This record gives sequence, structure tokens and C-alpha cells, in this order.
Amino acid sequence: DTEVTQTPKHLVMGMTNKKSLKCEQHMGHRAMYWYKQKAKKPPELMFVYSYEKLSINESVPSRFSPECPNSSLLNLHLHALQPEDSALYLCASSSRGVGYGYTFGSGTRLTVV
Amino acid sequence: DAKTTQPNSMESNEEEPVHLPCNHSTISGTDYIHWYRQLPSQGPEYVIHGLTSNVNNRMASLAIAEDRKSSTLILHRATLRDAAVYYCILQTGANNLFFGTGTRLTVIP
Repeated sequence: DTEVTQTPKHLVMGMTNKKSLKCEQHMGHRAMYWYKQKAKKPPELMFVYSYEKLSINESVPSRFSPECPNSSLLNLHLHALQPEDSALYLCASSSRGVGYGYTFGSGTRLTVV
Repeated sequence: DAKTTQPNSMESNEEEPVHLPCNHSTISGTDYIHWYRQLPSQGPEYVIHGLTSNVNNRMASLAIAEDRKSSTLILHRATLRDAAVYYCILQTGANNLFFGTGTRLTVIP
């Protein structure tokens, strides 16, 4: 299995809702990442997990809460989002260490209404 | 974050080679040069990466300047499916990838 699977593919949520994005990989990668991508912009790094521990939080608001339950799963919990948080949320994984490529999922397109 | 500079857009005729340039004058000795591409409505896709020597794989070739301050991604024969945004990224010692603005490649039939 050489894929990163993200669910759901599309999500519409209200500003008072709580929802979660899910990411799964079975390549044995020990680093996992969340990126946010606005339309016609490059992906922006949000969080980095290394060996299931959060190693980087790129000044992301607390309404985004990541979780790494095990080495294959990565969740992004969403609460009290704003319309400007509407974007494509991308998950990626890689082997830990320099010189390894990333495998990206196809993303969850989130719309906050 | 290590910075790269790429042209905003390029065009190529179908079945012709494409050379996508990238400048990274602030590269350090241990930074890897990565290339990814992103097709519409998809996540980025790994293309190739290298450190010092030129690299070839089934998708493309990567030519790295001797001083490592620039590199070129070479698609040997562009197809319509190669139309995408191509990102040149420096991977630092922390192994994190920070995307620049990329080059939008248009392939003309």
C-alpha cells in the first residue's frame, strides 16, 4: 500500500460544529503532516508529527487540534471554525530523516458556512 | 525557511522537452532539493529529489548546478497530463517541506 488516504473528501460545516478529518497510511512512515491550501496558493505547513509526537505547530489557531492515535493514523479536529478556514486540507507522510520524499493524500475540501 | 525562486508560469508544446528552472542561492550543504507537482484538484505528487548529483527516474531528470545554487527539472517529453503546478522545495535538516509559489506549466497540444 503506497497511498495516503484522507476522509472525507468533502466537508461542509457550520461555525458552531465540531468535525474531524482523518488521514491513514500503511507505509510504515513515522512522520505525518497536515497542510492547509487556499485556492491558487501553495500548501502551508500546519503540524508535524514525528513518532506519534507533535514536533511542530506552525502557529495554528487552537480551533484546529491535531491528534496522532498511532503510527498509521492522523486526525485533525475542528471546532468553531471561521469561513476563512475554508480550504483544502492535505495530509502527508514520510520516513523520518532527511532525504525522503513525502506522499500526499488527495485532501479534504472543507467549506465553513 | 529556505527559499526558492521559480518563474510563475511556463508553456511547452506537447511531446517536446521541458526545462523548469529553480534558484536557491541560500541553500546549505545538507539541504536536499525536492520537486513536487500538483495537478488540479489533487494533492501534491513527488517527482524527484537530489542532493549534489544529477538524478533520473521514470518521471523526470534533475540537473543540479555545481555550486548547488540552482537546479532544473527536465521532463523529457511533455504530455497533456504533465500540465500542473511544479514546486521546487529545499528540504532542510528538520525534514520539513515548505512550499514556494511554484511554476504553472501549460502544455499546448
